Amino acid sequence: KAGVTQTPRYLIKTRGQQVTLSCSPISGHRSVSWYQQTPGQGLQFLFEYFSETQRNKGNFPGRFSGRQFSNSRSEMNVSTLELGDSALYLCASSLGSGVQPQHFGDGTRLSIL
Amino acid sequence: GENVEQHPSTLSVQEGDSAVIKCTYSDSASNYFPWYKQELGKRPQLIIDIRSNVGEKKDQRIAVTLNKTAKHFSLHITETQPEDSAVYFCAANFGNEKLTFGTGTRLTIIP
Repeated sequence: KAGVTQTPRYLIKTRGQQVTLSCSPISGHRSVSWYQQTPGQGLQFLFEYFSETQRNKGNFPGRFSGRQFSNSRSEMNVSTLELGDSALYLCASSLGSGVQPQHFGDGTRLSIL
Repeated sequence: GENVEQHPSTLSVQEGDSAVIKCTYSDSASNYFPWYKQELGKRPQLIIDIRSNVGEKKDQRIAVTLNKTAKHFSLHITETQPEDSAVYFCAANFGNEKLTFGTGTRLTIIP
């Protein structure tokens, strides 16, 4: 069974631009969660989608948004990029019914110049 | 608030010795506690998890213990090997799928 796939792996943007990251979950998994990983803040929860609905949300500004499609694939969008948005963005998928183990993708490393 | 504290932040252990990493959580309603291992430049990998109806769980050289009354749980690695060197993260759920992670422990196994 294929694992969680994230694209692109690396991205370089400049301040003020916007970016869209993609995540394809493990086949059969209906929940997708997004995390931001930085050396200073560790792994921080952004949001979680289940059946195309945002079910949980972390403490990030409205510039961070996401969506999930009917095939469970998810996208995350960050608008008006700031230098502090440079990070590794990880998504994790799980079955979604109740509390289930989450499995991570390799992440997208976003660098803001 | 939703908080998970993890200690120590760094840990060096002689090969063959045991390593213990401890976490505490703030919400008594949390009922799922996974541990992840992240090697340099790689994805976090789930290595073991425990649910609140269980006090201890083992998988070969790895074990996790949970004390719900004290709201803390620990990872134990026995007979450590060089490939155990990595950053380890604990986590606790705050409402279904929402995981809050500890700040990580960098474990170094000294040959």
